[in-house]
Formats: sequence, structure tokens, C-alpha cells
Amino acid sequence: DSGVTQTPKHLITATGQRVTLRCSPRSGDLSVYWYQQSLDQGLQFLIQYYNGEERAKGNILERFSAQQFPDLHSELNLSSLELGDSALYFCASSVGVSGYNEKLFFGSGTQLSVL
Amino acid sequence: AQTVTQSQPEMSVQEAETVTLSCTYDTSESDYYLFWYKQPPSRQMILVIRQEAYKQQNATENRFSVNFQKAAKSFSLKISDSQLGDAAMYFCAYRGTNTGNQFYFGTGTSLTVIP
Repeated sequence: DSGVTQTPKHLITATGQRVTLRCSPRSGDLSVYWYQQSLDQGLQFLIQYYNGEERAKGNILERFSAQQFPDLHSELNLSSLELGDSALYFCASSVGVSGYNEKLFFGSGTQLSVL
Repeated sequence: AQTVTQSQPEMSVQEAETVTLSCTYDTSESDYYLFWYKQPPSRQMILVIRQEAYKQQNATENRFSVNFQKAAKSFSLKISDSQLGDAAMYFCAYRGTNTGNQFYFGTGTSLTVIP
């Protein structure tokens, strides 16, 4: 168990809908990352938050948004869903201190299926 | 942005044999960290091993070891005495100290273990 909790594990929805994915980082970790993994693809970095503030943005679509709350949990909102958004969405956390020899711990992912 | 390249989409190894997975990266930083993550069929991302760039000694974790060649920007993973449970997708990752704590992942190598 990595200590990173993601809910829900599975999500089935229809095109055009909006969903919210939730992530609780490991205790003590201030940084949260979101990644998208499509079928047989690598990990695409979406966005990173550190202590409530956006730190880095990757290939995140405008239809997607995220935030990190004061209790450090994070939510990834996906709207106007398309078939191509079907993927495994990972949340990961780390201590988040620059230069610190830290590891990235992953949650078990949310499998999103858009029908 | 830093790039991480895994040039072997697929590899196979006989059970009990040794296999080496390749990874190269591009960076202008002198201090950074390198990782290998394993993603078994369960799709959970598991940290296998990590290497600090300032350390000349190659990291080792039981049957897993790395060959870190800093000048060549190469970071290969050697799995000794391969077991059926080693079958998975393996991702190489890079984290710099001046890149906002971002982790950059390669596209992965799918390892098959033949009984």
C-alpha cells in the first residue's frame, strides 16, 4: 500500500458528462501529481500541485481542471467528456521539497470509461 | 523539458535468466535522480529502484540493479534470476533538482517472462 488513496476505482459515464476524481496524498506529502495513461500508452503528466498551489502544468486539456484543498487532498475535474478521455488516471504524491531526494508514490488509479 | 527514452518497447526473458532494460535521458542538469517503476497487470505503479546522480555507485535492490553511466546519460535496469512475477511494464523516470520537482517518464518497456 503506497498510502495514496484514489476514488473511485472505476467510473463509467457517457460522452458530454462531467466527472470528479479524488486523491488523498500520503501523510506528510505536500505535492500531488495527476497523470493520464491511455491504453498501451505511457504516463502523460497533466498537472502538479504543491501545498494548495499549482506548480506545473503538462498536457492538460482545457476541459480538465484540478485543485488541491487546504487538507491537501486533490480533485481532478473532467468535463465535456469524449470517448478519447477513456484512460487510467493516476494520482501520485511526494514530499515536494525542491532538491530533496524524494520518491513518487502512486495511487491505484481511477479507470475512466466514457461510452 | 527533459526527455526520457526507452528504445525497447518489448523484451522477453527466460525464467531464471538475466535481462537488461535500457533507458537514456537528456538533461543539462548535473544533479538529478533516476527511477525505475514497475507496472504489473494490476496496473499499480511500484517503485523498483532509484539512483542519485551524484553517487557513482550503482544502486541495487535484491535481484534488481542499475548500470548508471552519467556521461553517456544512460540508466539501464538489470533483472537477475528473472521470475514470473517480474512480468510487467517497466518505466524509467527522471527528476531534476531545477525542474520544479517534475518527474519525467519514458514510454515503457513491456517485459515478458517465459517459463
